[in-house]
Amino acid sequence: AQKITQTQPGMFVQEKEAVTLDCTYDTSDPSYGLFWYKQPSSGEMIFLIYQGSYDQQNATEGRYSLNFQKARKSANLVISASQLGDSAMYFCAMREGFGNEKLTFGTGTRLTIIP
Amino acid sequence: KAGVTQTPRYLIKTRGQQVTLSCSPISGHRSVSWYQQTPGQGLQFLFEYFSETQRNKGNFPGRFSGRQFSNSRSEMNVSTLELGDSALYLCASSSGLAGVSVKEQFFGPGTRLTVL
Repeated sequence: AQKITQTQPGMFVQEKEAVTLDCTYDTSDPSYGLFWYKQPSSGEMIFLIYQGSYDQQNATEGRYSLNFQKARKSANLVISASQLGDSAMYFCAMREGFGNEKLTFGTGTRLTIIP
Repeated sequence: KAGVTQTPRYLIKTRGQQVTLSCSPISGHRSVSWYQQTPGQGLQFLFEYFSETQRNKGNFPGRFSGRQFSNSRSEMNVSTLELGDSALYLCASSSGLAGVSVKEQFFGPGTRLTVL
């Protein structure tokens, strides 16, 4: 079974609209962390937001928020008021356990913002 | 604070050659992880080094190796290059403290390797 599943290969969104990128995960480890990264065409992976499995509140970072539904094993990224510069690939990733930094990535979603 | 740096940024090699890539983590970070990104396989974990010791290893052949120096800088080596090794190689830096839920991992700009 895939550990991280991103079911939306591509999305087109009008500028200034909110967008939700889906991510579901699979792990039996009670301690895990979920990450979202943005990868523009330049190739660099830009860290956006983190959610720990024990965190009670959904993470937020500026225009980014993470809709964490633990029972459903989903960690969707919400981008509010999208901008043209948000056009990029977005990856969801998971780290399982402590003392180990290995990230398992999903296949990504290509987001295109339309002016 | 300087970010993660990787050198070189671009590399062209021929089959059978070997290559060494370098990664300098963020100051104070002791964990460096390496990833290979290809269109077909996506992002795959190669290995992680913490305090000069390999702490975790992905499912890659022995041609892929790495090491970490006392200043936390890390190198990755690929011997006997194959066409399929053409990829973007990314390294990630974090504090890597055991028993602590590390909330950030920062990536470098990557090294784009082309094998002809």
